[in-house]
Amino acid sequence: KNQVEQSPQSLIILEGKNCTLQCNYTVSPFSNLRWYKQDTGRGPVSLTIMTFSENTKSNGRYTATLDADTKQSSLHITASQLSDSASYICVVSAEGTYKYIFGTGTRLKVLA
Amino acid sequence: NAGVTQTPKFQVLKTGQSMTLQCAQDMNHNSMYWYRQDPGMGLRLIYYSASEGTTDKGEVPNGYNVSRLNKREFSLRLESAAPSQTSVYFCASQPYGQVNTEAFFGQGTRLTVV
Repeated sequence: KNQVEQSPQSLIILEGKNCTLQCNYTVSPFSNLRWYKQDTGRGPVSLTIMTFSENTKSNGRYTATLDADTKQSSLHITASQLSDSASYICVVSAEGTYKYIFGTGTRLKVLA
Repeated sequence: NAGVTQTPKFQVLKTGQSMTLQCAQDMNHNSMYWYRQDPGMGLRLIYYSASEGTTDKGEVPNGYNVSRLNKREFSLRLESAAPSQTSVYFCASQPYGQVNTEAFFGQGTRLTVV
């Protein structure tokens, strides 16, 4: 069964600190992996998209990594800001389909 | 450039009532999607439209119908609402669904069925 699991479920950090969110998947055959940021009451917004051949992709203070062999991805947030408080969702799509498998997300809270 | 626009933002229905959720995108995208988001669960695909004139069932289509009215608009209809359909509904669009292009989401419609 195609699944995407994220950890931790929730995380609290102080402003300025770094953090890393994890995503494990069992989707096959793999097409691409996406990280989204979802603010409370809003729709998800894309942060990164990675294909099989990409190991790392950055978007400002967000850096995503992908290990296609172990089927793991991480999202690293550097020098966190209050505005980083949101849910971060990992999404994996299987090759040849229009369907995306969504993780349940990690809820991040950044405190001043 | 508005992106993906959903209406309404909030709705309360009585069990058995019907309604249509509207979605429009102004990015000339081919693929459009309807998802529902429930607490503790990832977004689940209800229906998708790979291109104008085509629609297909997703993971949870029961109780819903869709219409791809034209390239811009993709509506979701609840014919007889049930409390189990209480959820937040998101519409999304993408240039093409099967390639590595960015998907854009609307702001969501929060639906409560009582």
